Amino acid sequence: GAVVSQHPSRVICKSGTSVKIECRSLDFQATTMFWYRQFPKQSLMLMATSNEGSKATYEQGVEKDKFLINHASLTLSTLTVASAHPEDSSFYICSAEPGIDEQYFGPGTRLTVT
Amino acid sequence: QQPVQSPQAVILREGEDAVINCSSSKALYSVHWYRQKHGEAPVFLMILLKGGEQKGHEKISASFNEKKQQSSLYLTASQLSYSGTYFCGTVLGRNTDKLIFGTGTRLQVFP
Repeated sequence: GAVVSQHPSRVICKSGTSVKIECRSLDFQATTMFWYRQFPKQSLMLMATSNEGSKATYEQGVEKDKFLINHASLTLSTLTVASAHPEDSSFYICSAEPGIDEQYFGPGTRLTVT
Repeated sequence: QQPVQSPQAVILREGEDAVINCSSSKALYSVHWYRQKHGEAPVFLMILLKGGEQKGHEKISASFNEKKQQSSLYLTASQLSYSGTYFCGTVLGRNTDKLIFGTGTRLQVFP
């Protein structure tokens, strides 16, 4: 149990285009999902908390107009990187909570912006 | 403020032991431990709640010293499969689920 999927696993796009990443909890419902970004050889940095039915809560320094989050249902959250640039290239990981105090992570999405 | 982990990296031979420390500058409600293989998502290992408890399964255990705002992960009789980067994730309060990840410790186990 407690499986989280992400799609796509890899995406390469040109600078200026927008990219949508989906995060799904496959066998449980998640009121809250989290989005992280990880640069090579660095730790995971929380970008935002995605709440079903309400606006996402963004961490300091994360542009909400650039990283658009939609938590459409109890099993799906999407992250859209608007007008992506090379500095947005990173590993994006989502997580979801099947219960109290446990976060399970999706397999991640490797974004490369050329 | 990001928790600091030590050491930054450790190299072991199979069967050797290791300790990874996680130190926070803020009071902690809970500490989570994860292992991440290259190019993959972190895998949950265990969670410790405030109260100074120690937890473990198989040959991996952890302790949480609430007063010192520190947690340690103990790997005994290491196996090749233990290789990866270990992260502690800290939660600052009962009313938040946000995980603040530590700086990471890269562990390599050789035959």
